[in-house]
Parts: sequence; C-alpha cells; structure tokens
Amino acid sequence: NAGVTQTPKFRILKIGQSMTLQCTQDMNHNYMYWYRQDPGMGLKLIYYSVGAGITDKGEVPNGYNVSRSTTEDFPLRLELAAPSQTSVYFCAASGAGSYEQYFGPGTRLTVT
Amino acid sequence: DQQVKQNSPSLSVQEGRISILNCDYTNSMFDYFLWYKKYPAEGPTFLISISSIKDKNEDGRFTVFLNKSAKHLSLHIVPSQPGDSAVYFCAASRTSSGSARQLTFGSGTQLTVLP
Repeated sequence: NAGVTQTPKFRILKIGQSMTLQCTQDMNHNYMYWYRQDPGMGLKLIYYSVGAGITDKGEVPNGYNVSRSTTEDFPLRLELAAPSQTSVYFCAASGAGSYEQYFGPGTRLTVT
Repeated sequence: DQQVKQNSPSLSVQEGRISILNCDYTNSMFDYFLWYKKYPAEGPTFLISISSIKDKNEDGRFTVFLNKSAKHLSLHIVPSQPGDSAVYFCAASRTSSGSARQLTFGSGTQLTVLP
C-alpha cells in the first residue's frame, strides 16, 4: 500500500516552460489536494477535488491548473513557469468525512 | 492575513523533558485542529487532532489542549525523545463545499530534542 505518490521528486524549469506534477493515491479516497510550501512558511492550498470531474480553487490557484479524471490521479499543471512558483509541492488525499489528510513525499521545483 | 500562527520558529528541549508547542488562530469558523509532524524531504504526517467541542485529547506521549476562548492550542510531548526532532505544523479545518475539509496551516516550529 503506497498511499500517495508524487513524481518527479525534483525538477528545474526555465521561466516560461510548462510541466505537470503527477499525484496518485491507492487509498480510494474521494478528496485530493495540492499544496505548496515556501521556505519558512506553512503549506498553502492551491486546488482541491471532491471527486472525479470536480475541482475547486484553494487559497493560491493563480498560475496552476488541475484535472481529476479518475479517483486515483490528480495532476497539477504549470503552464508558464515563473520564479515565484519555486516551492515544494505536496499532494494529499483524505476519505469522506475525515479531517486527516495523507500527504505524498513532495516535489521540489525550482524555476530559474 | 495569517489565520493560524505559530510564533516560535524553533524550540530546543532536553531529552526526557516536556516539549510544548503553541499555536494561535483567528477564524472562529474552524471546527477541528490537527498537528502534523514533518521530517526533511518527507511529506507531513498526521500526529494528533482535537475537535472544537473538546478541550483535551491524549494519545500516548502526545496531548493537545484547546482553549477556544483564547483561540489557542498547544501540543505537549512528554517525555521528549531525540526521534521527535522534526518540524511540527499546526493546522485548522473548516468544512468547505462538497464536504472537503480544507486545512489552513501555521508556519511550523522546528523542535530539536537534545540527547
């Protein structure tokens, strides 16, 4: 049982490039979330999903897009990378009615 | 505007003593509070939680206290062990659309337990 997995672990992007951060969970949880963590700061919610086909914005959605075609996968898309998007990105999942979120190991992204 | 604040970026404690980590919040809509522990290069892992209708929850060496009138919660670890050295995040939850429970995180406290 892998829980929440994220790929890649590390990535360096040039300004203006695009990429997709992958997130997969094998817990059959309906709810999935994307957070970013900047140095010395807490995690901030980017987007979340309550089930396949349903997504909604969190606190800091600008510059990102998401999709949720299956229960298992919740990819995060950066279309035009900017230095302000340098951060560590965490994906999480939770079950219906549960407050506890299970986190993946994170993707460290640097935009130069 | 930080709705969840952890004002101590770091805390050092001797092994065997008590560690007390503090957290303050401003939003009265929060109905559940959680503590997460994070090691370097790993994702946060859930530690302990408390509902807003309670004032204390205990799990082994970990106890969380909630003071609603002061909008303050604390995590007590006793006795502290070197393996407890990590960043501890306080998080607060409120139910949003579709019953997804959004978490608002504090900035974290680096706990170092000295042997």
